[in-house]
Amino acid sequence: RKEVEQDPGPFNVPEGATVAFNCTYSNSASQSFFWYRQDCRKEPKLLMSVYSSGNEDGRFTAQLNRASQYISLLIRDSKLSDSATYLCVVRGWNSGYSTLTFGKGTMLLVSP
Amino acid sequence: GAGVSQSPRYKVAKRGQDVALRCDPISGHVSLFWYQQALGQGPEFLTYFQNEAQLDKSGLPSDRFFAERPEGSVSTLKIQRTQQEDSAVYLCASGQTGQPQHFGDGTRLSIL
Repeated sequence: RKEVEQDPGPFNVPEGATVAFNCTYSNSASQSFFWYRQDCRKEPKLLMSVYSSGNEDGRFTAQLNRASQYISLLIRDSKLSDSATYLCVVRGWNSGYSTLTFGKGTMLLVSP
Repeated sequence: GAGVSQSPRYKVAKRGQDVALRCDPISGHVSLFWYQQALGQGPEFLTYFQNEAQLDKSGLPSDRFFAERPEGSVSTLKIQRTQQEDSAVYLCASGQTGQPQHFGDGTRLSIL
């Protein structure tokens, strides 16, 4: 079983739709959680951190459930420019430094 | 620019050749990571440097892979006797302790 598992994609949605991505992680000692966005042939870029209390950034809402080891990302009123691969990322600590473990990514395609 | 710079952007090599991939991290960043991203997968950790010290090389897939950062800034990832399964995007990221990693555009390596 992979350490970070995400919904298999792709998700095809029309503009304006609400879409939700789910992610689970296996290492209960994981400390921090993030969503990254990766456009085709580009590098991953940090979209937002994920906190237990839930956090929102404009049309994007991230949730973390530590008990269930579950992370989600909700995108409301999706735009064409939201088309990308969304990577669920977990950070753990190892002898004084942190490492990132990435999920496989879920591709989102927003169509007109 | 002020971001992480990787070169070359694309590299094509014949099976059995050696290749060297370069990473110029953001100036002053202590941490430097190398990742391998196969097609349709998330980035997978290869190795980590803190300044010039290679603290973790647990992700290197074989002894054909070697990384160095002799002066604590520029890093080189070398792959000897390349195989077809080495074809992937190699991403470099740098950061400060506890801060988000900044990724370079990656080197797309194709082994024929």
